[in-house]
Amino acid sequence: AQSVTQPDIHITVSEGASLELRCNYSYGATPYLFWYVQSPGQGLQLLLKYFSGDTLVQGIKGFEAEFKRSQSSFNLRKPSVHWSDAAEYFCAVGASASGTYKYIFGTGTRLKVLA
Amino acid sequence: ETGVTQSPTHLIKTRGQQVTLRCSSQSGHNTVSWYQQALGQGPQFIFQYYREEENGRGNFPPRFSGLQFPNYSSELNVNALELDDSALYLCASSFGQGDQETQYFGPGTRLLVL
Repeated sequence: AQSVTQPDIHITVSEGASLELRCNYSYGATPYLFWYVQSPGQGLQLLLKYFSGDTLVQGIKGFEAEFKRSQSSFNLRKPSVHWSDAAEYFCAVGASASGTYKYIFGTGTRLKVLA
Repeated sequence: ETGVTQSPTHLIKTRGQQVTLRCSSQSGHNTVSWYQQALGQGPQFIFQYYREEENGRGNFPPRFSGLQFPNYSSELNVNALELDDSALYLCASSFGQGDQETQYFGPGTRLLVL
């Protein structure tokens, strides 16, 4: 079955520290992978996406993610976290079935940043 | 800003009522997908509309229905509201329905059912 797992429900880091948010997926075909960020009460903003090619993907706001097929992972990283990065982060896989293309999301990781 | 807009931003209804949520897609996009995000959960796919036709449905009952209009805007209708329908409803637009089409999300409509 297609699924996305984000093992960490909450993560707390200090401002200026590095960050890694984990994402594991289960999908039979070539995965299309996404990271979105959601600030409180807001919709989803696309941070970055992986379709093919270079397995290290650069996104907005200084984020990057690395696709590792052997580990079925697509972890999000940032070298130095800013207080404004506090939000909820969702990993998603694009899944096709019967002509419909939809996203399957993980349950999210809530990031808290300490001053 | 994605260019996807949704209305209203918040809504309170009582159990058994009906609700209509609206979405305007980004310019040039002809596909709209709807998602339900319950508190503390990731978004769950409800259904998708492509060129005014329903193009796939998630695990939601028939009381969840939708429309897409010639200008590609869309409505989500929910009949016989239940308490568990309380959630953030997100629409996402894309150009086409292919695997490499990125979906751009609106800000959502927060529905509370009492």
